[in-house]
This record gives sequence, C-alpha cells and structure tokens, in this order.
Amino acid sequence: EPEVTQTPSHQVTQMGQEVILRCVPISNHLYFYWYRQILGQKVEFLVSFYNNEISEKSEIFDDQFSVERPDGSNFTLKIRSTKLEDSAMYFCASRATGGETQYFGPGTRLLVL
Amino acid sequence: DAKTTQPPSMDCAEGRAANLPCNHSTISGNEYVYWYRQIHSQGPQYIIHGLKNNETNEMASLIITEDRKSSTLILPHATLRDTAVYYCIVRVPGANNLFFGTGTRLTVIP
Repeated sequence: EPEVTQTPSHQVTQMGQEVILRCVPISNHLYFYWYRQILGQKVEFLVSFYNNEISEKSEIFDDQFSVERPDGSNFTLKIRSTKLEDSAMYFCASRATGGETQYFGPGTRLLVL
Repeated sequence: DAKTTQPPSMDCAEGRAANLPCNHSTISGNEYVYWYRQIHSQGPQYIIHGLKNNETNEMASLIITEDRKSSTLILPHATLRDTAVYYCIVRVPGANNLFFGTGTRLTVIP
C-alpha cells in the first residue's frame, strides 16, 4: 500500500538555524499538507499546497515558514530561523484529486535547543 | 475549531467491541464525519468516513444517527494494537484542513 514518507525522522537544531523537513507524498497525489503537533497538544494545520502554490495557511504559518515542491516527488517545509517553540512533530499529508481522504506520514520530530 | 465532542478516555477489554461516541450537533448538511486515530505520536491514520449512511470497512464500522448529530465508531474486536487516540472530525468536502480536537484515548486492556 502506498505511503507518505518523511525524512528525517528526528532533527535536532540550534535556535536560529534553518531546517528543511522533507516529505514524499503518495504518487499521483496532487494535494499536500503540513501539520504540526507540539508535545501533548492537538494536531494543528499549517498549510495546504496545490498546483505549486499555497491554497490555505493557518496563522501559525508565518513568514518564517515556507513550502516548496522542488521536483516531481518531494514536498518540503522550511523554517528559516527556528525558535524554541517550533519544537514539535511535523506531519506531512497528501490527498488524491477527487479523493477526500488525507493520508499522513510518520512525522519528523524537531527539537530546537 | 473542532465541531465535535468526544469523551477524553475509554477502556475496552481485548477481543471485545470498542464503541467510541462522538457528538456533532452542529454538523451541516454537506459535512462528512471522519475518523482518524493516532498511535503514540505516529502520524494520524485514516479509519473511515461517512455522510449519512452507516459505513463499514476492514478496520471499523461507522454508525451515524438519522439526525446526523452524533456517530459511533465501532472496532468489532479490539486488540492491544488498537490502543490509540481516536479523533472524530467533521469536514466539508474539498476543505483544505482537518481540525483535530483532543479525541478519545482508547486503552485496550489484556
């Protein structure tokens, strides 16, 4: 069964550093999402992406965040200057055209020191 | 904001049916009911969804009341691996984001 994959599984970084989280959505899916989950809290929507542009973003997704589909398979989330409060699990999800179900990856655990 | 209300926790004996309730009294006519689960900080896993008819797949059954104000997810024979947080989500078709609430933490007991 096709799956969404994410790399790395864990990332530790220093405050102020840039990080790039990578996702490979399910093949032929064209709708992509990023969510985050701070430890012990709810899963929160960050951004949705379709046709090479952001279709919706939450108030969490400020100027420090950006997304990109650099090639035909990867979907990335970049945090330009990480803050302590960016420490969280980051989940990528994808959805097929005409489908209504989002399928999630296993997540990247980001720890900002 | 999450438009659903779920009990914070439930226990179920292994091998028995787990019945997880969800209230969504303000659901709109075109909103679907989705169920996802999250096993110990893994990515949310899709379980099932429905509009107004009861649905069944290999994982679970979804029973939606006639007025659509509540639903029940049924895991027919719970196993220890079903221990997870279960989220009930209402969603308009085509909406970009899923609003996850706090869910129900289901513990399957040996």
